[in-house]
Amino acid sequence: QKEVEQDPGPLSVPEGAIVSLNCTYSNSAFQYFMWYRQYSRKGPELLMYTYSSGNKEDGRFTAQVDKSSKYISLFIRDSQPSDSATYLCAMTITGANSKLTFGKGITLSVRP
Amino acid sequence: SAVISQKPSRDICQRGTSLTIQCQVDSQVTMMFWYRQQPGQSLTLIATANQGSEATYESGFVIDKFPISRPNLTFSTLTVSNMSPEDSSIYLCSVGVSRDSNYGYTFGSGTRLTVV
Repeated sequence: QKEVEQDPGPLSVPEGAIVSLNCTYSNSAFQYFMWYRQYSRKGPELLMYTYSSGNKEDGRFTAQVDKSSKYISLFIRDSQPSDSATYLCAMTITGANSKLTFGKGITLSVRP
Repeated sequence: SAVISQKPSRDICQRGTSLTIQCQVDSQVTMMFWYRQQPGQSLTLIATANQGSEATYESGFVIDKFPISRPNLTFSTLTVSNMSPEDSSIYLCSVGVSRDSNYGYTFGSGTRLTVV
């Protein structure tokens, strides 16, 4: 079993849709959870960062962490064509200066 | 947030040769990380580079194949040695950053390597 599993893609939605992206993990020691967005031919860009369980909102993006279920989600409201990218979940045990473990990533396409 | 300049952005290399990838950060950082992103796969950590000490390699990666230099707090290089087509991948460097009192990581734009 991989440490981090991410829903396979690709995913195609119409503009304005609500998008739900999910990851599960097996290592209960993970405490810091991140979502990265990666445009084609670019490096990953940090989108959301959450420590432990709970929700975090930033504009159209909401990150949820449920440590009891080892499950994290990213919701995108009112999706835009500019949201078309690959989204990767990542997590780490100690936060600062520690190894990131990534999911495989899911490619999202938002149709105008 | 730190800004990372990574080069080259892409290269096509002959098997058996070596390529050195450079990362320059616009601020001093303690640790730099080197990742590999193979097609259809997740990012995998190759090694962690501290200034002034030997790099720490993850399981499956060895110094002879991926030598790393870290001469100061703003610069690091990764060399992919004796390349084979299996080394065709995107290579990325990363540093830890703080943002709004949270801690995350920023990445270079990557080096897309094709070995023929």
